[in-house]
Amino acid sequence: GAGVSQSPSNKVTEKGKDVELRCDPISGHTALYWYRQRLGQGLEFLIYFQGNSAPDKSGLPSDRFSAERTGESVSTLTIQRTQQEDSAVYLCASSPAFVAGYTFGSGTRLTVV
Amino acid sequence: GIQVEQSPPDLILQEGANSTLRCNFSDSVNNLQWFHQNPWGQLINLFYIPSGTKQNGRLSATTVATERYSLLYISSSQTTDSGVYFCAVGNTGGFKTIFGAGTRLFVKA
Repeated sequence: GAGVSQSPSNKVTEKGKDVELRCDPISGHTALYWYRQRLGQGLEFLIYFQGNSAPDKSGLPSDRFSAERTGESVSTLTIQRTQQEDSAVYLCASSPAFVAGYTFGSGTRLTVV
Repeated sequence: GIQVEQSPPDLILQEGANSTLRCNFSDSVNNLQWFHQNPWGQLINLFYIPSGTKQNGRLSATTVATERYSLLYISSSQTTDSGVYFCAVGNTGGFKTIFGAGTRLFVKA
């Protein structure tokens, strides 16, 4: 597509429920990144995918967070047993390679009540 | 891991003024980017600039990798330049790209 697409744009969920966030990268972009941005804060790295290589999961904050990507296409970020501190905007970016500029999606605003 | 510091944290300008934003980093990098996050939250890539100088309209950036800093210049600022400017760096030893805390810019009409 023309840009990075994220869905849903907004998600309100009850504490303890699982949520799944989706990211469609730009076609042909081999690298895909997930970041978290809490209100008024900077961006925290979560996970990185590059082609068929093993992902860099070192930024995932707990074992309740997981992410998958099939080849060089769609990625999903799953948060299990959501907590109030998970409330944030989750941003996805893609790039042609690691050493190239990123294009960000519009994000998913997650609110845990 | 690599540390990124941006200055100033906040900046208020009168429309038409020029400004310089700075990004210091603690280690060698092979990826350095500047982003603008507008008041609606959208992040726009301004420059991919691990070294050298680039210009795009009223914006330009310079990275001096050997001295571990990058500068973003905004000339003839406009109210639409308001928002947060982030510097992000990627370390040669891994794939994480770490963001600085940002510079929050407000341009007054």
